[in-house]
Amino acid sequence: GAGVSQSPSNKVTEKGKDVELRCDPISGHTALYWYRQSLGQGLEFLIYFQGNSAPDKSGLPSDRFSAERTGGSVSTLTIQRTQQEDSAVYLCASSLGEAYNEQFFGPGTRLTVL
Amino acid sequence: GQSLEQPSEVTAVEGAIVQINCTYQTSGFYGLSWYQQHDGGAPTFLSYNALDGLEETGRFSSFLSRSDSYGYLLLQELQMKDSASYFCAPSGGSQGNLIFGKGTKLSVKP
Repeated sequence: GAGVSQSPSNKVTEKGKDVELRCDPISGHTALYWYRQSLGQGLEFLIYFQGNSAPDKSGLPSDRFSAERTGGSVSTLTIQRTQQEDSAVYLCASSLGEAYNEQFFGPGTRLTVL
Repeated sequence: GQSLEQPSEVTAVEGAIVQINCTYQTSGFYGLSWYQQHDGGAPTFLSYNALDGLEETGRFSSFLSRSDSYGYLLLQELQMKDSASYFCAPSGGSQGNLIFGKGTKLSVKP
C-alpha cells in the first residue's frame, strides 16, 4: 500500500521567503508528526496531531513555524520569513493510535535557505 | 527534564555482535522504541519495549529495564547493510511523544 508521501522533495528558497511543505499520511492513521533533522543530527520533534485533538505544538522553534492538518489527513508545515538556520530535512510521520506506536516516515523534504 | 544518551559511533566487523546502549530520562515514560536510518533515507521502526525484558526479532533484539531507565539494541550476525544510524527513542510527556537523540552511527567493516 501507499506509504507517507511528502512534497516537494527538495526546496531551495531565499532568506525571508515563506515556504509550505506538504505531508500525505498513510490512510487511516490518526496521528501525524513533523520532525526536523539537520545534517548529521538527530530528529527534532516539531508538532504532533492526534485525531481531532488540539495539536501538540511544543516543539515548534519559533512563531515563524506553523502547521495545520485538514480533514484529519493532509498536513502542511509553513515556515514564514525563512532563515538560514531553518535549512534541514523536514520529516513527516504517521501512526495508528498513540505516539509510541510504530511511526512510518515519509522521505522528507530537504529545505535549503540561501 | 528530559535527557537521552547513546554512543555517537560504533564500529564492528561482519558477523560480529554489537550492543548499543541507551539511557534516558523523561517524564511520563511509556516505552522505548528503536529506529534505523540509512544515510539519505528515512527512519524505519525496529522495535518497541513497553515492559522490562528482552524482545527478539530475527537478528535484532531490544532490552528494557524501566527501573534503571536503560535499554539496549543487540545486533547479531552483523551484515554490511546494517551500517546505519540507530536511534533509541523513549516515549514520554503527557502524550507519549517520541524523543529522539543524535543516534549511534554503526559502521560494519568487512
